[in-house]
Amino acid sequence: DQQVKQNSPSLSVQEGRISILNCDYTNSMFDYFLWYKKYPAEGPTFLISISSIKDKNEDGRFTVFLNKSAKHLSLHIVPSQPGDSAVYFCAASDYGQNFVFGPGTRLSVLP
Amino acid sequence: EAGVVQSPRYKIIEKKQPVAFWCNPISGHNTLYWYRQNLGQGPELLIRYENEEAVDDSQLPKDRFSAERLKGVDSTLKIQPAELGDSAVYLCASSSWKEVGAGEQYFGPGTRLTVT
Repeated sequence: DQQVKQNSPSLSVQEGRISILNCDYTNSMFDYFLWYKKYPAEGPTFLISISSIKDKNEDGRFTVFLNKSAKHLSLHIVPSQPGDSAVYFCAASDYGQNFVFGPGTRLSVLP
Repeated sequence: EAGVVQSPRYKIIEKKQPVAFWCNPISGHNTLYWYRQNLGQGPELLIRYENEEAVDDSQLPKDRFSAERLKGVDSTLKIQPAELGDSAVYLCASSSWKEVGAGEQYFGPGTRLTVT
Protein backbone atom coordinates (compact mmCIF):
# COMPACT_ATOMS: atom_id res chain seq x y z
CA ASP A 1 0.00 0.00 0.00
CA GLN A 2 1.36 3.34 -1.04
CA GLN A 3 1.50 5.80 1.83
CA VAL A 4 2.48 8.64 -0.50
CA LYS A 5 0.78 8.92 -3.86
CA GLN A 6 1.44 11.03 -6.90
CA ASN A 7 -1.36 10.15 -9.25
CA SER A 8 -0.07 12.05 -12.26
CA PRO A 9 2.90 10.20 -13.80
CA SER A 10 3.58 13.13 -16.12
CA LEU A 11 2.70 16.76 -16.69
CA SER A 12 3.42 19.12 -19.59
CA VAL A 13 3.33 22.87 -19.16
CA GLN A 14 4.14 25.80 -21.40
CA GLU A 15 7.12 27.93 -20.42
CA GLY A 16 6.05 30.89 -18.30
CA ARG A 17 2.89 29.20 -17.07
CA ILE A 18 2.24 27.68 -13.66
CA SER A 19 3.09 24.04 -12.94
CA ILE A 20 1.06 22.33 -10.23
CA LEU A 21 2.22 18.96 -8.95
CA ASN A 22 -0.01 17.09 -6.53
CA CYS A 23 0.64 14.60 -3.78
CA ASP A 24 -1.63 12.68 -1.39
CA TYR A 25 -0.69 10.77 1.72
CA THR A 26 -2.50 8.33 3.96
CA ASN A 27 -0.52 8.23 7.21
CA SER A 28 -1.71 10.88 9.67
CA MET A 29 1.55 10.50 11.61
CA PHE A 30 3.47 12.29 8.88
CA ASP A 31 4.44 15.74 10.10
CA TYR A 32 6.97 16.91 7.54
CA PHE A 33 6.67 16.98 3.79
CA LEU A 34 9.29 17.53 1.14
CA TRP A 35 9.69 17.89 -2.57
CA TYR A 36 12.75 16.64 -4.42
CA LYS A 37 13.73 17.17 -8.02
CA LYS A 38 15.64 14.58 -10.01
CA TYR A 39 17.47 14.92 -13.31
CA PRO A 40 18.49 11.81 -15.30
CA ALA A 41 21.56 9.98 -13.97
CA GLU A 42 21.64 12.15 -10.85
CA GLY A 43 20.38 11.66 -7.33
CA PRO A 44 17.32 13.57 -6.08
CA THR A 45 17.93 17.15 -4.98
CA PHE A 46 16.01 18.74 -2.12
CA LEU A 47 13.73 21.51 -3.33
CA ILE A 48 11.40 22.71 -0.59
CA SER A 49 9.71 21.41 2.53
CA ILE A 50 6.81 22.21 4.82
CA SER A 51 6.01 21.36 8.41
CA SER A 52 2.55 20.14 9.36
CA ILE A 53 2.07 23.26 11.50
CA LYS A 54 2.05 25.39 8.37
CA ASP A 55 -0.16 25.44 5.32
CA LYS A 56 2.17 27.26 2.96
CA ASN A 57 5.87 27.67 2.37
CA GLU A 58 7.38 29.78 -0.37
CA ASP A 59 10.88 29.88 -1.82
CA GLY A 60 11.32 31.98 -4.91
CA ARG A 61 9.36 30.44 -7.77
CA PHE A 62 8.41 27.41 -5.67
CA THR A 63 5.50 27.26 -3.23
CA VAL A 64 4.25 24.23 -1.37
CA PHE A 65 0.71 24.11 0.00
CA LEU A 66 -0.44 21.65 2.64
CA ASN A 67 -4.05 20.68 3.36
CA LYS A 68 -3.87 18.46 6.41
CA SER A 69 -7.55 17.67 6.58
CA ALA A 70 -7.44 16.38 3.01
CA LYS A 71 -3.98 14.82 3.45
CA HIS A 72 -2.95 16.61 0.31
CA LEU A 73 -0.07 18.81 -0.70
CA SER A 74 0.88 20.52 -3.90
CA LEU A 75 3.93 22.17 -5.39
CA HIS A 76 3.44 25.27 -7.48
CA ILE A 77 6.16 26.48 -9.82
CA VAL A 78 5.62 29.89 -11.34
CA PRO A 79 6.76 30.88 -13.82
CA SER A 80 7.83 27.49 -15.17
CA GLN A 81 11.14 27.34 -17.01
CA PRO A 82 12.58 24.69 -19.36
CA GLY A 83 15.24 23.91 -16.73
CA ASP A 84 12.47 22.81 -14.39
CA SER A 85 11.90 19.75 -16.59
CA ALA A 86 12.66 16.82 -14.30
CA VAL A 87 11.01 14.16 -12.17
CA TYR A 88 9.55 15.55 -8.95
CA PHE A 89 9.19 13.35 -5.89
CA CYS A 90 6.95 14.10 -2.98
CA ALA A 91 8.16 12.67 0.34
CA ALA A 92 6.71 12.50 3.83
CA SER A 93 8.40 12.06 7.18
CA ASP A 94 7.35 11.21 10.71
CA TYR A 95 9.37 13.39 13.06
CA GLY A 96 12.36 13.35 10.71
CA GLN A 97 12.85 9.63 11.13
CA ASN A 98 11.41 7.70 8.24
CA PHE A 99 11.06 9.20 4.79
CA VAL A 100 8.50 7.75 2.41
CA PHE A 101 8.68 8.82 -1.21
CA GLY A 102 5.95 8.93 -3.84
CA PRO A 103 6.47 7.43 -7.30
CA GLY A 104 7.25 10.78 -8.90
CA THR A 105 5.77 13.06 -11.56
CA ARG A 106 7.70 13.83 -14.72
CA LEU A 107 7.37 17.53 -15.53
CA SER A 108 8.07 18.75 -19.04
CA VAL A 109 8.21 22.50 -19.57
CA LEU A 110 7.80 23.28 -23.23
CA PRO A 111 9.53 26.35 -24.70
CA GLU B 1 32.03 21.21 -0.54
CA ALA B 2 32.11 17.70 -1.99
CA GLY B 3 28.78 15.94 -2.26
CA VAL B 4 27.88 12.35 -1.51
CA VAL B 5 30.15 10.04 -3.48
CA GLN B 6 29.07 6.62 -4.66
CA SER B 7 30.87 3.93 -6.58
CA PRO B 8 30.61 2.25 -8.91
CA ARG B 9 28.13 4.23 -10.99
CA TYR B 10 27.11 1.19 -13.00
CA LYS B 11 27.40 -2.53 -12.37
CA ILE B 12 26.31 -5.49 -14.45
CA ILE B 13 26.49 -8.94 -12.88
CA GLU B 14 25.02 -12.36 -13.41
CA LYS B 15 22.46 -13.67 -10.96
CA LYS B 16 23.81 -15.48 -7.94
CA GLN B 17 26.97 -13.35 -7.99
CA PRO B 18 27.86 -11.00 -5.11
CA VAL B 19 28.01 -7.23 -5.50
CA ALA B 20 29.01 -4.35 -3.25
CA PHE B 21 28.30 -0.63 -3.35
CA TRP B 22 30.30 2.03 -1.58
CA CYS B 23 29.22 5.41 -0.26
CA ASN B 24 31.18 8.32 1.16
CA PRO B 25 28.81 10.84 2.79
CA ILE B 26 29.29 14.57 3.14
CA SER B 27 31.89 15.33 5.78
CA GLY B 28 30.31 15.81 9.18
CA HIS B 29 27.01 14.18 8.28
CA ASN B 30 26.22 11.62 10.94
CA THR B 31 23.06 10.18 9.36
CA LEU B 32 23.45 7.92 6.33
CA TYR B 33 20.69 6.28 4.29
CA TRP B 34 20.64 3.56 1.66
CA TYR B 35 17.67 3.58 -0.71
CA ARG B 36 16.65 1.37 -3.59
CA GLN B 37 14.82 2.91 -6.52
CA ASN B 38 13.04 0.69 -9.01
CA LEU B 39 12.11 1.97 -12.44
CA GLY B 40 9.16 4.34 -12.32
CA GLN B 41 9.06 4.41 -8.53
CA GLY B 42 10.35 6.58 -5.76
CA PRO B 43 13.30 5.69 -3.53
CA GLU B 44 12.56 3.10 -0.86
CA LEU B 45 14.55 3.13 2.35
CA LEU B 46 16.67 0.04 2.99
CA ILE B 47 18.65 1.11 6.04
CA ARG B 48 19.42 4.22 8.07
CA TYR B 49 22.53 4.78 10.18
CA GLU B 50 23.09 7.24 12.98
CA ASN B 51 26.88 7.33 13.15
CA GLU B 52 27.89 3.66 13.06
CA GLU B 53 24.61 2.32 14.44
CA ALA B 54 21.92 0.95 12.15
CA VAL B 55 18.78 2.48 13.70
CA ASP B 56 16.31 1.33 11.05
CA ASP B 57 16.93 -1.75 8.90
CA SER B 58 13.38 -3.04 8.88
CA GLN B 59 13.16 -2.87 5.07
CA LEU B 60 16.52 -4.53 4.42
CA PRO B 61 16.14 -8.10 3.06
CA LYS B 62 18.53 -9.60 5.54
CA ASP B 63 18.77 -12.99 3.90
CA ARG B 64 20.85 -11.56 1.07
CA PHE B 65 21.56 -7.91 1.89
CA SER B 66 24.05 -6.62 4.41
CA ALA B 67 25.44 -3.20 5.22
CA GLU B 68 28.08 -1.69 7.39
CA ARG B 69 29.28 1.74 8.34
CA LEU B 70 32.66 1.42 9.94
CA LYS B 71 33.77 4.34 12.11
CA GLY B 72 30.55 6.14 11.27
CA VAL B 73 31.80 7.52 7.96
CA ASP B 74 31.88 5.44 4.75
CA SER B 75 29.34 2.72 4.20
CA THR B 76 29.11 -0.42 2.12
CA LEU B 77 25.98 -2.20 0.97
CA LYS B 78 26.35 -5.79 -0.18
CA ILE B 79 24.08 -8.24 -1.95
CA GLN B 80 24.94 -11.93 -1.93
CA PRO B 81 23.69 -13.66 -3.97
CA ALA B 82 22.06 -11.21 -6.36
CA GLU B 83 18.71 -12.00 -7.95
CA LEU B 84 17.12 -10.66 -11.13
CA GLY B 85 14.70 -8.59 -9.05
CA ASP B 86 17.58 -6.71 -7.45
CA SER B 87 18.11 -4.72 -10.63
CA ALA B 88 17.57 -1.11 -9.56
CA VAL B 89 19.37 2.11 -8.72
CA TYR B 90 20.87 2.10 -5.24
CA LEU B 91 21.04 5.56 -3.72
CA CYS B 92 23.02 6.73 -0.74
CA ALA B 93 22.07 9.91 1.12
CA SER B 94 23.36 11.73 4.17
CA SER B 95 22.24 14.48 6.50
CA SER B 96 23.41 16.23 9.64
CA TRP B 97 21.67 16.54 13.00
CA LYS B 98 20.47 20.05 12.32
CA GLU B 99 19.18 19.16 8.92
CA VAL B 100 17.47 15.87 9.61
CA GLY B 101 14.58 17.64 11.25
CA ALA B 102 14.25 19.74 8.13
CA GLY B 103 14.36 16.61 6.05
CA GLU B 104 17.14 17.86 3.87
CA GLN B 105 18.97 14.76 2.73
CA TYR B 106 21.78 15.01 0.25
CA PHE B 107 21.77 12.21 -2.31
CA GLY B 108 24.60 10.71 -4.26
CA PRO B 109 24.26 9.95 -7.97
CA GLY B 110 23.40 6.31 -7.31
CA THR B 111 24.65 2.97 -8.58
CA ARG B 112 22.65 1.40 -11.35
CA LEU B 113 22.70 -2.38 -10.89
CA THR B 114 21.70 -4.74 -13.67
CA VAL B 115 21.41 -8.43 -12.83
CA THR B 116 21.29 -10.73 -15.86
